[in-house]
Amino acid sequence: NAGVTQTPKFQVLKTGQSMTLQCAQDMNHEYMSWYRQDPGMGLRLIHYSVGAGITDQGEVPNGYNVSRSTTEDFPLRLLSAAPSQTSVYFCASKPHGGEQYFGPGTRLTVT
Amino acid sequence: LAKTTQPISMDSYEGQEVNITCSHNNIATNDYITWYQQFPSQGPRFIIQGYKTKVTNEVASLFIPADRKSSTLSLPRVSLSDTAVYYCLVGSILTGGGNKLTFGTGTQLKVEL
Repeated sequence: NAGVTQTPKFQVLKTGQSMTLQCAQDMNHEYMSWYRQDPGMGLRLIHYSVGAGITDQGEVPNGYNVSRSTTEDFPLRLLSAAPSQTSVYFCASKPHGGEQYFGPGTRLTVT
Repeated sequence: LAKTTQPISMDSYEGQEVNITCSHNNIATNDYITWYQQFPSQGPRFIIQGYKTKVTNEVASLFIPADRKSSTLSLPRVSLSDTAVYYCLVGSILTGGGNKLTFGTGTQLKVEL
């Protein structure tokens, strides 16, 4: 199993641009989540999904959209990038009743 | 979601046992306690999870008193490679709330020779 994969690893955007961060898992996990981590901080939950077709907001959802059309994929869309969205983004998946597995992260810089 | 409080940092030496305590006064009946480890530029990695009393695996032990308002992660005989940030999380692993876990700022453990 590849586990949780994220692309790209690094991205630089200009203010106002949009982009999609990709996340995929091959473990058939029901739950998937997106977090952001700012320097010296813990992770904050952006959006999460409890299964295909079901998503919900986390702690800091503004400026981000998600969809879950398949069990495997959970893309995160930035609609209009802002410097405040400069961060490291982590995707995670977990089975029901089990532990979370995190991806390697995407480092995003918005200028 | 139950809020957690941990020390910001701890220092230790190789070969020592390290105990990191986490407070979670508002823990709910359905909540489990989970600890993660994070190295720089990597995603967090699961260490251990428990509900009450004591849980042990090949990496660590987790001690939870009867009132469950705190927990202690115990790392036996730490090495330099255990230098990392350790997060204590509290949340329900039942349907829906299973992945809505809140990460605090964690405890930066530094292990020296």
